[in-house]
Amino acid sequence: DAGVTQSPTHLIKTRGQQVTLRCSPKSGHDTVSWYQQALGQGPQFIFQYYEEEERQRGNFPDRFSGHQFPNYSSELNVNALLLGDSALYLCASSWRETGTQETQYFGPGTRLLVL
Amino acid sequence: AQSVTQLDSHVSVSEGTPVLLRCNYSSSYSPSLFWYVQHPNKGLQLLLKYTSAATLVKGINGFEAEFKKSETSFHLTKPSAHMSDAAEYFCVVSEGTGFQKLVFGTGTRLLVSP
Repeated sequence: DAGVTQSPTHLIKTRGQQVTLRCSPKSGHDTVSWYQQALGQGPQFIFQYYEEEERQRGNFPDRFSGHQFPNYSSELNVNALLLGDSALYLCASSWRETGTQETQYFGPGTRLLVL
Repeated sequence: AQSVTQLDSHVSVSEGTPVLLRCNYSSSYSPSLFWYVQHPNKGLQLLLKYTSAATLVKGINGFEAEFKKSETSFHLTKPSAHMSDAAEYFCVVSEGTGFQKLVFGTGTRLLVSP
């Protein structure tokens, strides 16, 4: 049973460029969440997708956008990259079951360096 | 808003001795709490979760945590540390009644010496 997978593993961009990160959820999961983890800090919630719609959003600017596909995989897009966007980007998947506490399972992350 | 506070940024133990990683939470209602571990250059792995069932929660690799409402604490313990336990540990609270997001603490780095 494949877990959460992310691509690419590493990425180097320059300021002002745009980047797309990809995530495939764990088998059987239908919800994808994205988190940003700056060096030495805990992950910060970016947004969450379910049924191809953004359901919740954290305190991130509109430069951060996403998409979920019918097969539940997801993309995170960041436009107009800033140096401060350098971080580990983590994808987490879960199965949305009403009335219960979802458990989120994380992928290995994509490390983005903005120069 | 819910939050968690990890009281120690670093904890050092010797192999074979007990581990205690401290976490306090702030919540307006009964929270769901988690501990995740992150090994260097790896993603996050779920150690255990509390969801208002038993207050003593057993996780993987010999870890357990006790939910104490009166103290608003959810400390992580292990009777005997192993070298492979050296990692970053995050206490996490789930926020939201519909679509839930995770709110992470700042992390505790566990160092294990031989």
